[in-house]
Amino acid sequence: QQQVKQSPQSLIVQKGGISIINCAYENTAFDYFPWYQQFPGKGPALLIAIRPDVSEKKEGRFTISFNKSAKQFSLHIMDSQPGDSATYFCAASRDDKIIFGKGTRLHILP
Amino acid sequence: DAGVIQSPRHEVTEMGQEVTLRCKPISGHNSLFWYRQTMMRGLELLIYFNNNVPIDDSGMPEDRFSAKMPNASFSTLKIQPSEPRDSAVYFCASSFTGGVTEAFFGQGTRLTVV
Repeated sequence: QQQVKQSPQSLIVQKGGISIINCAYENTAFDYFPWYQQFPGKGPALLIAIRPDVSEKKEGRFTISFNKSAKQFSLHIMDSQPGDSATYFCAASRDDKIIFGKGTRLHILP
Repeated sequence: DAGVIQSPRHEVTEMGQEVTLRCKPISGHNSLFWYRQTMMRGLELLIYFNNNVPIDDSGMPEDRFSAKMPNASFSTLKIQPSEPRDSAVYFCASSFTGGVTEAFFGQGTRLTVV
């Protein structure tokens, strides 16, 4: 059973554009929703995270939008840069356990 | 701290051989996770430990896979016998579960079974 569904699988965006990645979860017990960024040959690293008691969190060019009633959340990357090209994973966690989406391979065209 | 340390970084083995992957978590972290990453299935949680105790191993594919954490600073993931479909990148991650669970990942072990 896939508890966290992520889309799209891959995304190509022009430099300066907005990249949007969407995720949906099933288990309402999840209480923490992080996004991880992974560069080739490296392990995923925490990028930004949100609790379900807020609807939006912004850190620099990265924003998480959270819709608790729809059980959906999304990552927006404003003014996308070639250095943002990476694989992005959404995740949901409760207590010790973290479940990841399948990932989105983002490519920013120079 | 050097972060989560995994070894080896790359492993090539023949089908049927035993493979052991190693992980040293970040000092002070009390949870340890083993993940497998493939193009088809993404990041799959195989097993996680809390305070050296296996809490959830429901992601372990089959009996050929086993994991141990004999102490707070070391864990192993063993595959015996290995099969070509086990080829993947295996990640170890650790976290401190004093609040939210933020996992810190190692660089991974790329396993190729031929």
